[in-house]
Amino acid sequence: AQSVTQLGSHVSVSEGALVLLRCNYSSSVPPYLFWYVQYPNQGLQLLLKYTSAATLVKGINGFEAEFKKSETSFHLTKPSAHMSDAAEYFCAVSKNTGGFKTIFGAGTRLFVKA
Amino acid sequence: DAGVIQSPRHEVTEMGQEVTLRCKPISGHDYLFWYRQTMMRGLELLIYFNNNVPIDDSGMPEDRFSAKMPNASFSTLKIQPSEPRDSAVYFCASRRSPEAFFGQGTRLTVV
Repeated sequence: AQSVTQLGSHVSVSEGALVLLRCNYSSSVPPYLFWYVQYPNQGLQLLLKYTSAATLVKGINGFEAEFKKSETSFHLTKPSAHMSDAAEYFCAVSKNTGGFKTIFGAGTRLFVKA
Repeated sequence: DAGVIQSPRHEVTEMGQEVTLRCKPISGHDYLFWYRQTMMRGLELLIYFNNNVPIDDSGMPEDRFSAKMPNASFSTLKIQPSEPRDSAVYFCASRRSPEAFFGQGTRLTVV
């Protein structure tokens, strides 16, 4: 069975500081991995995805994530936080075979301090 | 494309009433998902369809919940009778490629 664990339900950084949101997954088959962002009263928006191509994936708004199979991790980073990055971030996994469903982590709320 | 469209955006109903949430997926997408989001339980997958056929409804909490997809462009999630603990934001998402695209959600409040 697939599952996703996001370490830290809340992360607070200063504007301009590095953003690091952690995600570990478990999957019995090679996975697809995703990061989504949710702003207040909005649906989830795709930030980036890993689909077995390059292990370092670049997404929108300056975010990137690196797939590390040995660590079963897919951490999200951004070199310099902006106030507009304050939101909730979800890591998600699905299988790349068969009738695959997408499973989401519990989410990490990012706070950005001025 | 207008994206995944959900209606209504907000619904307030009294306990015991029937509630129907609606979703129009993105044209050409062959998977449709219904999720429920609450503070306590996060984002839960309720049910998903492939080519209009329900594939996995193991996340549907009780028999009070039912979902249909009569055609490729429309799905409903019905709660009958509704209870206060059903209050949540319900999201519909559709997919053709690996990533799912989400609607804006329906915020349901059962009083």
